[in-house]
Amino acid sequence: KQEVTQIPAALSVPEGENLVLNCSFTDSAIYNLQWFRQDPGKGLTSLLLIQSSQREQTSGRLNASLDKSSGRSTLYIAASQPGDSATYLCAVRDFGNEKLTFGTGTRLTIIP
Amino acid sequence: SAVISQKPSRDICQRGTSLTIQCQVDSQVTMMFWYRQQPGQSLTLIATANQGSEATYESGFVIDKFPISRPNLTFSTLTVSNMSPEDSSIYLCSVFFRDLQYYGYTFGSGTRLTVV
Repeated sequence: KQEVTQIPAALSVPEGENLVLNCSFTDSAIYNLQWFRQDPGKGLTSLLLIQSSQREQTSGRLNASLDKSSGRSTLYIAASQPGDSATYLCAVRDFGNEKLTFGTGTRLTIIP
Repeated sequence: SAVISQKPSRDICQRGTSLTIQCQVDSQVTMMFWYRQQPGQSLTLIATANQGSEATYESGFVIDKFPISRPNLTFSTLTVSNMSPEDSSIYLCSVFFRDLQYYGYTFGSGTRLTVV
């Protein structure tokens, strides 16, 4: 059974800093991995999706990497802004399966 | 990406009653997924709904408690039945969508349910 873990559970950094969020998964036979952000009490907004054959994806200030063999993904946020404050979730889709297994989330606070 | 309209956005309900949550998608999709997010927790899949067949429930979730309808390729409902305070959660629907510009899962805005 796939298990997804995110460390740290919470992170506070000053505005302008670069930061890295981590996601680990136990079964490397994944189809893809998707990063989301969730604002308090709201739904999920998709940030980046990495296919199992890819090593990284970039969108603006965000860069997500995937190392399938070690069961890890990272989300890099450059030049952080207060608007980046949210909970970040990674989710894994396994081969032969349409559903997602979610990580525990990292609550990010950017201090102005 | 596909746009999902989810209603209601929030509700406060008395224990023992039922609430039906609706999700309308602006594109036809094969599967719709229903998730629960308990306070301070991550998302847990409740069931997968295909049009024209019964929903497939995950371990720990049963049809009597969470009946699901999927009458067509753009609409689904989740009912939370005989509610108790432990059902207080955010409920979200999701679809997998692909077009020329988007590939991935999309979520509704969620329904925040409080049971008193």
